[in-house]
Amino acid sequence: NAGVTQTPKFQVLKTGQSMTLQCAQDMNHNSMYWYRQDPGMGLRLIYYSASEGTTDKGEVPNGYNVSRLNKREFSLRLESAAPSQTSVYFCATSGGGRPTDTQYFGPGTRLTVL
Amino acid sequence: GDSVTQMEGPVTLSEEAFLTINCTYTATGYPSLFWYVQYPGEGLQLLLKATKADDKGSNKGFEATYRKETTSFHLEKGSVQVSDSAVYFCALAPPGGSYIPTFGRGTSLIVHP
Repeated sequence: NAGVTQTPKFQVLKTGQSMTLQCAQDMNHNSMYWYRQDPGMGLRLIYYSASEGTTDKGEVPNGYNVSRLNKREFSLRLESAAPSQTSVYFCATSGGGRPTDTQYFGPGTRLTVL
Repeated sequence: GDSVTQMEGPVTLSEEAFLTINCTYTATGYPSLFWYVQYPGEGLQLLLKATKADDKGSNKGFEATYRKETTSFHLEKGSVQVSDSAVYFCALAPPGGSYIPTFGRGTSLIVHP
């Protein structure tokens, strides 16, 4: 089992370009999440999907959109990238529905916006 | 709202030293508490968790006890190794609502031989 996979691993964009970060899981989990990690800021939730067919904003949703394509896949789109979106992006999953659920993280996408 | 406060790092120790990383939280009710670890270049992974007051979570020699009276979940290890060098995140998940966890800012641990 691959667990949680993310593509690409690294990406460099110019300001104004668009891109989609892909996340897939083979754990049969209901809930999926997108976080960004910045130095000194810890993890901040961008969007989440509690179950297939639903998405909700997290703490820092501006400048991003998401799609829960099916139970396995959850993508994050930057329509017009800005230097402030330079970060490491993590996708995570959990079984969903219980506060005791562990989150399982992908390896991350390191994005630089010039 | 819910919040998690961790001691700032980096924490620098020699191999075989005793480790404590402090974590305190603010939440309504009885949240679930977690420690996640992030090794260089990787995503976070669960280290241990505790789901009710006075529970002790343990894994790989690390321990943390859920202290409701002091709203704390401090991480300890009796003898650290160089391979423990990583960033450690404390997190809580609320007992109701969406159950989405709140993470602390992380504490970097550097262990020297």
